[in-house]
Amino acid sequence: LAKTTQPISMDSYEGQEVNITCSHNNIATNDYITWYQQFPSQGPRFIIQGYKTKVTNEVASLFIPADRKSSTLSLPRVSLSDTAVYYCLVGAYNSGNTPLVFGKGTRLSVIA
Amino acid sequence: EAQVTQNPRYLITVTGKKLTVTCSQNMNHEYMSWYRQDPGLGLRQIYYSMNVEVTDKGDVPEGYKVSRKEKRNFPLILESPSPNQTSLYFCASSLWGRGNSNQPQHFGDGTRLSIL
Repeated sequence: LAKTTQPISMDSYEGQEVNITCSHNNIATNDYITWYQQFPSQGPRFIIQGYKTKVTNEVASLFIPADRKSSTLSLPRVSLSDTAVYYCLVGAYNSGNTPLVFGKGTRLSVIA
Repeated sequence: EAQVTQNPRYLITVTGKKLTVTCSQNMNHEYMSWYRQDPGLGLRQIYYSMNVEVTDKGDVPEGYKVSRKEKRNFPLILESPSPNQTSLYFCASSLWGRGNSNQPQHFGDGTRLSIL
């Protein structure tokens, strides 16, 4: 199983760019990297997913180096509403009988 | 509205009393999964199912059972609950299969179980 490691917490001021890195040293060839956001009393919500290089959508960017042993979620110009826990997930849904392993999450606190 | 629905949202019960947490999705997803979330441990997968009548153990399956008799439903069964199963539980679903690999999971809003 691809184990992931993330920082436990991060603080940021509003308007700053936030980068959260996830380490996944034993990522498998078929594994994708997916990030989720979770607010209190809610289920996690999909943010972004990638396999290699860079992926960008309307809310975030995901940077994945060539060796794929880590990934960085980048949130541009955070606001107070971005305060949440962010989870990195590494796995491949089509790899058969393989459980999916979430990291322990990074608690991001955005300060005014 | 596309959603994953869990019931109940909250439950307090006693050790040994069998309970079932239901999960239903209306998106015709093949893949369904149960997670538990505990402070400092993040989300851990309990069981998952890639389609009807196909279930597999996740990271922490001990003490739990699941069934997948219909595509939309994936109940979690605690035959003899114990206090160490007190936790926040999430059900999730996604598309899976040829051409749909690695679709994002849609999560329910969670079920908070307290086993006394």
